[in-house]
Amino acid sequence: DTEVTQTPKHLVMGMTNKKSLKCEQHMGHRAMYWYKQKAKKPPELMFVYSYEKLSINESVPSRFSPECPNSSLLNLHLHALQPEDSALYLCASSQDSDSNYGYTFGSGTRLTVV
Amino acid sequence: AQSVSQHNHHVILSEAASLELGCNYSYGGTVNLFWYVQYPGQHLQLLLKYFSGDPLVKGIKGFEAEFIKSKFSFNLRKPSVQWSDTAEYFCAVNSGGNEKLTFGTGTRLTIIP
Repeated sequence: DTEVTQTPKHLVMGMTNKKSLKCEQHMGHRAMYWYKQKAKKPPELMFVYSYEKLSINESVPSRFSPECPNSSLLNLHLHALQPEDSALYLCASSQDSDSNYGYTFGSGTRLTVV
Repeated sequence: AQSVSQHNHHVILSEAASLELGCNYSYGGTVNLFWYVQYPGQHLQLLLKYFSGDPLVKGIKGFEAEFIKSKFSFNLRKPSVQWSDTAEYFCAVNSGGNEKLTFGTGTRLTIIP
C-alpha cells in the first residue's frame, strides 16, 4: 500500500459546525503533515507530526486542531471555521521527518465553509 | 529561511515542443529538491527528486531536472510534451534536516494539441 487516503473527499460545513478530516497511511511512515491549498496557489504547511508528536505548528488558528491517534492516522478537527478557510486540505506522509525519503500526498479534502 | 521561486506562471506550448520550467531556491546549505505535478482536479504527484549524487535526475513520464548548485536552480525539462502534460507544476525545497517542505508558486502548463 503506497497511498495516503483522505476522507471525506468533499465537505461542506457551516460556521458553527464541528467536523473532522481524516488521513490514513499504511506505509510505516513516521512523519505526517497537513497542508492547506487555496485555488491556484501552492500548498502551505499547517502542521507536522513526527513520531506521533506535534513538531511544527505554522501559526495556525486554534479553530484547526490536529490529532495523531497512532502512527497511521492523522486527524484535523475543525470548529467555528470562516468562509476564508474554504480550501483543499492535503495530508502527506514521509518515512520520517528527515525528509530524504520524499513525501507522499493524499488526494485531499475539498472543504467549503458556508 | 528556505524559499522557492518559479518565474514562469503560465506556459503554453504545442504538442511535441520542448519544455523547460525554471525553479530557483534560496538556501545556502544542503537541500533536497522536488518537482510535483497536479493534474486538474487531482492530487499532487511526485515527478522526481534530488537528494545527492548525479545532478541530472530522471523522473516519471519522461521528465528530468538538473540541479545546478552554483545557480541555485533545479529546472524541469522534457524534450517533447504531450497534451496529457497539461497540469500545474510545483517545485519544492526542503533543507537538510528541516521537516518543512516549501513550495514555489507553481507553473501552469497548457499544451495545445
